[in-house]
Amino acid sequence: GALVYQYPRRTICKSGTSMRMECQAVGFQATSVAWYRQSPQKTFELIALSTVNSAIKYEQNFTQEKFPISHPNLSFSSMTVLNAYLEDRGLYLCGAGDNERLFFGHGTKLSVL
Amino acid sequence: TQTVSQSDAHVTVFEGDSVELRCNYSYGGSIYLSWYIQHHGHGLQFLLKYYSGNPVVQGVNGFEAEFSKSDSSFHLRKASVHWSDSAVYFCAASGGYKVVFGSGTRLLVSP
Repeated sequence: GALVYQYPRRTICKSGTSMRMECQAVGFQATSVAWYRQSPQKTFELIALSTVNSAIKYEQNFTQEKFPISHPNLSFSSMTVLNAYLEDRGLYLCGAGDNERLFFGHGTKLSVL
Repeated sequence: TQTVSQSDAHVTVFEGDSVELRCNYSYGGSIYLSWYIQHHGHGLQFLLKYYSGNPVVQGVNGFEAEFSKSDSSFHLRKASVHWSDSAVYFCAASGGYKVVFGSGTRLLVSP
C-alpha cells in the first residue's frame, strides 16, 4: 500500500534556530508533495506545493526564504523552518501525491522555546 | 475561490447515538472530496473519499458520507458512535494536488 513517513514526529527548537523535517513516500511515486501547517486550534494551511520538474509554488504568507523545500526525487521531500519563532509552532504535515490523491504523513509537531 | 465550510465547530453525542458532521464546499471544476480524522496530538488519518459514481461512499470504522451536487455538500455520518470516535474531523476538497481543508469539527462522544 501507499504510505508516507514523516520525521521527526516531534521536535523542540530554540527561538531563532532552524529545524528540518523530512517526508518519505513508500509504495507509490510522489510526483507532487504539499506541505501544510496546522497552527494551534486551527485548520491546515497550505505552505507550498512541489511538483517534480516544476517550480515550487508557495502560498501567500509563506516564502521560500522562510520555508525552503527540497523535492529531489519521486520518493523524498524535505522542508526547513528557518529562524523559527513562537508563531511557527504547530503541526507540519506532508502530503505526497501520485496522479490520484494525496497521502498524508503523521506530521511533525514543532514546539518553539 | 475554493472554500470548504464546516458549520459546526463542536458536536457532542452519547455513545451509541448516530451523528452527522456537515461539510459544504465551493469549488470550480472537477472535485475530489475527502474526510479525515485527527486524534488529539496526531496527524491526519484518511476516512473516505468521493470523486464520481455512487454519491454514498463507505469509509473505515462504519463511517459513510453522501455527496450532493445540488446542495454542494458532503456530510459525514455514522449510525452508532463509539467513545473512540472522539476526535476532530476535517472535510477536504481538492482539484489536482491542492487540498483545501475545512476548519474542522470536534466530535465528543460521551460514554
